[in-house]
Amino acid sequence: GIQVEQSPPDLILQEGANSTLRCNFSDSVNNLQWFHQNPWGQLINLFYIPSGTKQNGRLSATTVATERYSLLYISSSQTTDSGVYFCAVVGSGGSNYKLTFGKGTLLTVNP
Amino acid sequence: DGGITQSPKYLFRKEGQNVTLSCEQNLNHDAMYWYRQDPGQGLRLIYYSQIVNDFQKGDIAEGYSVSREKKESFPLTVTSAQKNPTAFYLCASRVGQGWYNEQFFGPGTRLTVL
Repeated sequence: GIQVEQSPPDLILQEGANSTLRCNFSDSVNNLQWFHQNPWGQLINLFYIPSGTKQNGRLSATTVATERYSLLYISSSQTTDSGVYFCAVVGSGGSNYKLTFGKGTLLTVNP
Repeated sequence: DGGITQSPKYLFRKEGQNVTLSCEQNLNHDAMYWYRQDPGQGLRLIYYSQIVNDFQKGDIAEGYSVSREKKESFPLTVTSAQKNPTAFYLCASRVGQGWYNEQFFGPGTRLTVL
């Protein structure tokens, strides 16, 4: 099935810094979602972005489907941005019924 | 409010007991999913259902069972056959008809086997 790799696995920032999280996937996709998992475990939808660029406040995302990667940008980070960021995809091949998750990036924003 | 609810938030079970986790959604979504998350890992698919009275096994279905008698409800039973049931369980539903449409998640249930 499709493979999803996220980098870096861990990231520590000072409040106010910018960051870029990367998601590589091994095959073409019909869906790509970015999630933020908060300390209570809730998965919060950030972006549904199988291709193109989207922005929502301090967050933006870009997916280059032809090159099989997506980037999540966090600008002017805040302590509330801390948590795990997951990339998940629905492949266009045999596993096209489910979201396949990467292992996530653990972001810590210090005051 | 529209959304996905899961109950209970925390659940403790003795070895050898079956336990059922609840998942309800009032979003009128057709498809529903159950995922399992282990510490430091991403989510893995247990079962999914596209329509009422139909469901399919995901990647790690052994030791679990589900039912889909109503569109809004998709309960998961963790049976005594599940060898390592302690985990965080997340329910999701999908908007629209396409397989690739956006999924939304409930708040999760933490199951601990004593």
